[in-house]
Amino acid sequence: KQEVTQIPAALSVPEGENLVLNCSFTDSAIYNLQWFRQDPGKGLTSLLLIQSSQREQTSGRLNASLDKSSGRSTLYIAASQPGDSATYLCAVNEGAQKLVFGQGTRLTINP
Amino acid sequence: GAVVSQHPSRVICKSGTSVKIECRSLDFQATTMFWYRQFPKQSLMLMATSNEGSKATYEQGVEKDKFLINHASLTLSTLTVTSAHPEDSSFYICSATRGQKNEQYFGPGTRLTVT
Repeated sequence: KQEVTQIPAALSVPEGENLVLNCSFTDSAIYNLQWFRQDPGKGLTSLLLIQSSQREQTSGRLNASLDKSSGRSTLYIAASQPGDSATYLCAVNEGAQKLVFGQGTRLTINP
Repeated sequence: GAVVSQHPSRVICKSGTSVKIECRSLDFQATTMFWYRQFPKQSLMLMATSNEGSKATYEQGVEKDKFLINHASLTLSTLTVTSAHPEDSSFYICSATRGQKNEQYFGPGTRLTVT
């Protein structure tokens, strides 16, 4: 059974810092991996999707990498801003479009 | 593009009543829609997968007679919580996929409180 783990569970950093969020998964047979952002009481916003054949994807200040063989993905956020404060979730698609989510990293950017 | 809406955003109902939640893809036709449940400070748990015109596929442990899913069209899926109880109180989120990447687009969620 696929298990997705995110470390750390919570992270608080000063504004302007670069940071890395980690995601690991137990079964490397994945279709793709997706990073989401969730604000309190809200739905999910898709940030980046990496296909299993890809190594990384970039969008603005965000960069996500994927090492399928080791079962790891990282989300790099450059020059963090208070507006980046949210819970970040990674999810692996095992095929049949089913997503298995990690528990999330609650990120706080302090002004 | 790829906007998914849910209605209502919040609902409070009494024990024993039924509640219907709608999920719509506003600007695309969704191949598949999904229903998730999220408890406070926990991650999302997939409840069921829904394809237009066919019966939903429920995850293990999810009562299909309690959580009725109807996928009437390529842009609308509904989740009905029947005979709701306080333990059904949760945040329900739907998602929809489009295109070959099967990227999922999520709705804003519905907060259900059963009193």
